[in-house]
Amino acid sequence: GIQVEQSPPDLILQEGANSTLRCNFSDSVNNLQWFHQNPWGQLINLFYIPSGTKQNGRLSATTVATERYSLLYISSSQTTDSGVYFCAVFSVMIKAAGNKLTFGGGTRVLVKP
Amino acid sequence: DTEVTQTPKHLVMGMTNKKSLKCEQHMGHRAMYWYKQKAKKPPELMFVYSYEKLSINESVPSRFSPECPNSSLLNLHLHALQPEDSALYLCASSQGRQSSYNEQFFGPGTRLTVL
Repeated sequence: GIQVEQSPPDLILQEGANSTLRCNFSDSVNNLQWFHQNPWGQLINLFYIPSGTKQNGRLSATTVATERYSLLYISSSQTTDSGVYFCAVFSVMIKAAGNKLTFGGGTRVLVKP
Repeated sequence: DTEVTQTPKHLVMGMTNKKSLKCEQHMGHRAMYWYKQKAKKPPELMFVYSYEKLSINESVPSRFSPECPNSSLLNLHLHALQPEDSALYLCASSQGRQSSYNEQFFGPGTRLTVL
């Protein structure tokens, strides 16, 4: 099946710093999503971004589908940005069977005040 | 409204108990999912329902039994679980295979502890 790798696995930031998280995937994808999982376990949708660039406040994401990677940018980080960031993809090959989302291992972010 | 609700929030059960997890969405989505997430790991897909029919079962043990009574509801029936089944169980929904827009939305999860 499709492989999804995220880097770095852990990230410690000082409040106000900028950072870039990376997601690499092994095959063509029909969908890519970025999530933030808060300490209570809720997965919050950040971006639905199969290709191109999107921005939402201090966050932005870019997916280059032809090169099989996506980047999540966090600018001017805040303590509330702490948590785990997941990218998740599903492959065009199994779209007909339902949307099997495969998650990367996540990047654990800690923003210190 | 992009809300998926799950009940209960927490569940503690013994290995001989029978319990059910419930999930509900009112977004008109026709695909619904169960995921299992162990501590410090990513969510892993268990089941997919597409148009109220089971379309994917990721080789989940039979002590987990999904049910989709209608297009808004998804249940997960639990019986004779093992302590290693303790995890966060997440429900999600999306528009379904007839749509080219396939964003998945997740509920807050049920944190299950099996004693």
